[in-house]
Amino acid sequence: GENVEQHPSTLSVQEGDSAVIKCTYSDSASNYFPWYKQELGKRPQLIIDIRSNVGEKKDQRIAVTLNKTAKHFSLHITETQPEDSAVYFCAAPPQNRDDKIIFGKGTRLHILP
Amino acid sequence: KAGVTQTPRYLIKTRGQQVTLSCSPISGHRSVSWYQQTPGQGLQFLFEYFSETQRNKGNFPGRFSGRQFSNSRSEMNVSTLELGDSALYLCASATVADRGLAGYGYTFGSGTRLTVV
Repeated sequence: GENVEQHPSTLSVQEGDSAVIKCTYSDSASNYFPWYKQELGKRPQLIIDIRSNVGEKKDQRIAVTLNKTAKHFSLHITETQPEDSAVYFCAAPPQNRDDKIIFGKGTRLHILP
Repeated sequence: KAGVTQTPRYLIKTRGQQVTLSCSPISGHRSVSWYQQTPGQGLQFLFEYFSETQRNKGNFPGRFSGRQFSNSRSEMNVSTLELGDSALYLCASATVADRGLAGYGYTFGSGTRLTVV
């Protein structure tokens, strides 16, 4: 089955600096990679995703990069702001939609003033 | 359109009791998945239902069970509660076509925070 490892578990960055969170996966057949953001006391919400036919996708200050050969994908947040403080989760759904979805254990991002 | 609705939002139970949590998916979504969220373990998959049938199950003891009704609403039940069951329980709904593709039509509810004392 799929296995997803997410690093780091906690990350503190100065406001304005960049943050990078990385996930590695085991199922080489995975072809869709979403990132979720969960603010304190709220539900996880999809913020960006990437499909395996592209290597990078950007949406304003956030971007996701994918390295299929190395089986890892990363979330990049530039010019961090206080509202970026949250827990971020990656997932690597299996190609077989009847298999369960596995999420990474999450990264708690703190934006320091 | 209305989002995924989970009730109750908060619950306090004592050890040994049982609890039932409810999840109403987005209209038209027939797949409902349940997750347990704890600080150290992240999002742990419990089970998934669609068409009133359990399709997948995570690595949880038999004290955790669920069901889905014909209107796609789902309930999960935890019997003989233990202190370690304290967690945020999240459900997520998706259309049948999108099930298995996290994020692609996959929407989380706000969760039920269960505290076992």
